[in-house]
Amino acid sequence: DAMVIQNPRYQVTQFGKPVTLSCSQTLNHNVMYWYQQKSSQAPKLLFHYYDKDFNNEADTPDNFQSRRPNTSFCFLDIRSPGLGDAAMYLCATSRDRVSYEQYFGPGTRLTVT
Amino acid sequence: KNEVEQSPQNLTAQEGEFITINCSYSVGISALHWLQQHPGGGIVSLFMLSSGKKKHGRLIATINIQEKHSSLHITASHPRDSAVYICAAWYQGAQKLVFGQGTRLTINP
Repeated sequence: DAMVIQNPRYQVTQFGKPVTLSCSQTLNHNVMYWYQQKSSQAPKLLFHYYDKDFNNEADTPDNFQSRRPNTSFCFLDIRSPGLGDAAMYLCATSRDRVSYEQYFGPGTRLTVT
Repeated sequence: KNEVEQSPQNLTAQEGEFITINCSYSVGISALHWLQQHPGGGIVSLFMLSSGKKKHGRLIATINIQEKHSSLHITASHPRDSAVYICAAWYQGAQKLVFGQGTRLTINP
């Protein structure tokens, strides 16, 4: 049974057109993470939510925002996608902040045309 | 500095060969993950280790805390094992998962 679900799996958007990626979880975990992974690179943490507490990484561009309306769902909003934002976006969850076990979703591959 | 280094970056082998991928890290980790990613795919967690050794099917992961080193072994490798294998360490101070660059494994029939 899928525990961390990401929709859509593939997303194509136009340069500058806002796009939203979705992540949901059935684990009832407190922490949800968003990572960006560009081709042949390691995943890079963008931000995470601990419950409703939003934590942005210092080098995450302002173009990237996130929302967590409830425990199960978390959204990644890219306000004005550029060509450089084309990447795999990975959602992960963990039980709490000190729990080092993370569960990854299948990812959403974003293409910007 | 919280770092994770993997070797080799690329590995090509014949079906049936024994595969070893290495990972070294800095002081201060609580646990180490081995992850698998197929081309164009998402990440699957293979193992999480804080000490000793774990085995799942043909995959074995070991960690040596004193040497700050972990290895992932694949026995009787198969073309379906072809993927990128990523080592990631949980640094307790930063409360963050730090990823290695990955090892691209290709198993030829």
